[in-house]
Amino acid sequence: DAGITQSPRHKVTETGTPVTLRCHQTENHRYMYWYRQDPGHGLRLIHYSYGVKDTDKGEVSDGYSVSRSKTEDFLLTLESATSSQTSVYFCAVKQGTGYEQYFGPGTRLTVT
Amino acid sequence: GEDVEQSLFLSVREGDSSVINCTYTDSSSTYLYWYKQEPGAGLQLLTYIFSNMDMKQDQRLTVLLNKKDKHLSLRIADTQTGDSAIYFCAETGNSGYSTLTFGKGTMLLVSP
Repeated sequence: DAGITQSPRHKVTETGTPVTLRCHQTENHRYMYWYRQDPGHGLRLIHYSYGVKDTDKGEVSDGYSVSRSKTEDFLLTLESATSSQTSVYFCAVKQGTGYEQYFGPGTRLTVT
Repeated sequence: GEDVEQSLFLSVREGDSSVINCTYTDSSSTYLYWYKQEPGAGLQLLTYIFSNMDMKQDQRLTVLLNKKDKHLSLRIADTQTGDSAIYFCAETGNSGYSTLTFGKGTMLLVSP
């Protein structure tokens, strides 16, 4: 599992509330990614990080922010959750060298 | 922009071979991946192929790449009921940070 954990695994929240999802890895992977998975869309990239404090936007970044203050943690924040952000969120990691990208178990978020 | 297309559904009998197809549009894709997702689980990396290769074999899995036609296929030999899952094709495009663009996934159903 490449030492990836995501928390919480399930969350129900109300529209307009802030939400933070955490991705934690134990194997010193340089690259970390957040994707969301929705029926009919496959997985889409939200944000990614290529080092501590180095992040960039992906395809569907509107309404999301990220932070990476240490190698092992990559946080995804929904500043004001909306129903369109109901989804399953996956974190992924990759070493600086090598080509394998590994995924965490996912967080199911429901915004009511 | 980048686009990855897959057929949505494939049904086979146990013991048969399965072939899952994928087409992509980004000719600068460096690596192409196959992931497996079982219900309620994260994505499991099955295999990947570098764009200068035609074929890669790994036990029951064979990946074929036709770069001219931008066509990728995954063949599963001696398909088992445990192979029932959704299979995702993904490509890196020209991203220097290995961000992935996914197809919408192919649901493989293996019947006894």
